[in-house]
Amino acid sequence: GESVGLHLPTLSVQEGDNSIINCAYSNSASDYFIWYKQESGKGPQFIIDIRSNMDKRQGQRVTVLLNKTVKHLSLQIAATQPGDSAVYFCAERETGANSKLTFGKGITLSVRP
Amino acid sequence: GAGVSQSPSNKVTEKGKDVELRCDPISGHTALYWYRQSLGQGLEFLIYFQGNSAPDKSGLPSDRFSAERTGGSVSTLTIQRTQQEDSAVYLCASSHDRVQAKNIQYFGAGTRLSVL
Repeated sequence: GESVGLHLPTLSVQEGDNSIINCAYSNSASDYFIWYKQESGKGPQFIIDIRSNMDKRQGQRVTVLLNKTVKHLSLQIAATQPGDSAVYFCAERETGANSKLTFGKGITLSVRP
Repeated sequence: GAGVSQSPSNKVTEKGKDVELRCDPISGHTALYWYRQSLGQGLEFLIYFQGNSAPDKSGLPSDRFSAERTGGSVSTLTIQRTQQEDSAVYLCASSHDRVQAKNIQYFGAGTRLSVL
């Protein structure tokens, strides 16, 4: 079946460096993608989203890139800080679906001081 | 409140007992979702409400699981005859009308269910 997945289970970065978290999706019918951040003991928190008619969207210190040709989504975090340590999930929504999101398994970002 | 509120935050129960989990969505959000998250895993969709109706129940794992929503607001997820494999964090999310092109779901902190 179609699924959303992440390439790496964990990512360790030095404080101040840029982080890149990658996500592969296989449902070509998906039209909307979201990145969530989940800290320990908390629910997922919205970071940034992108529609399929865009290939890049920037927020505060974060950028999401969408490559529909290879069905790849990435989250870039500039100047990574200790507070960025968390589990990051990508999620996709299929066109015409009832807004049900399909989540990947998540990747842990660990920031070294 | 300002965000999605879930209660209880933790629930320990014995195998075979019934449990009820509550979700208070963000005021004005018409859509409400329940997910399950097992340790170290992603989010598994359970059920979606639009108003008080549930057009998508496809994620409920068995007939021991049910959910309802009243007044277009509070929702309860009920698990009957709990089993150890039901142990997980149950997350609730809400969003504005589902037909919007962008439909950000906002999550509560979850209820951690432990079945002994």
